[in-house]
Amino acid sequence: DAKTTQPTSMDCAEGRAANLPCNHSTISGNEYVYWYRQIHSQGPQYIIHGLKNNETNEMASLIITEDRKSSTLILPHATLRDTAVYYCIVRVANYGGSQGNLIFGKGTKLSVKP
Amino acid sequence: DTEVTQTPKHLVMGMTNKKSLKCEQHMGHRAMYWYKQKAKKPPELMFVYSYEKLSINESVPSRFSPECPNSSLLNLHLHALQPEDSALYLCASSQDPVSYEQYFGPGTRLTVT
Repeated sequence: DAKTTQPTSMDCAEGRAANLPCNHSTISGNEYVYWYRQIHSQGPQYIIHGLKNNETNEMASLIITEDRKSSTLILPHATLRDTAVYYCIVRVANYGGSQGNLIFGKGTKLSVKP
Repeated sequence: DTEVTQTPKHLVMGMTNKKSLKCEQHMGHRAMYWYKQKAKKPPELMFVYSYEKLSINESVPSRFSPECPNSSLLNLHLHALQPEDSALYLCASSQDPVSYEQYFGPGTRLTVT
């Protein structure tokens, strides 16, 4: 599976967009990019995933570069409740075996400040 | 109902004790997971149950024994743990074993004395 690289920490002002980058330069054609976050003292929470096209849902937008070697998670209007560790995970969408499981990296600690 | 519940929230046990962690979901999910998370580290997968059968054991010591009594329940039986086993134990579920959209519970904070 492709390895991901994320900044250790980032700050964002409340109400502004938070842009969290992820590098996955060794990604394969059949690997998806998933984003999860973990708010302090809670379990991880699924945010969004994508393969090639940009994706948007009620929580965030995911922008994947054309060569798929990097992606950016965008929280359009960050609030204090978005303070969390954000994990970028690249995994094959396949059937059976350990390929169906999440492997969390170190993630990015996002601090949203008033 | 998109909730995964875990009990207890906190557990303190001695190294000779036997205890169990419980996890429950009512979303009709057919895959359930146990993760272990040490302080300031990412979650690490321990076990996967697929359609109520153990499908993955990530080389977890035998002092951790998982059990899936039915499709809604997942237990983790603990016996003769070590202090280094102190961690947050997270349960998760997904619609099926190939889905990466996993729903996590809040975890059980375990302290082994």
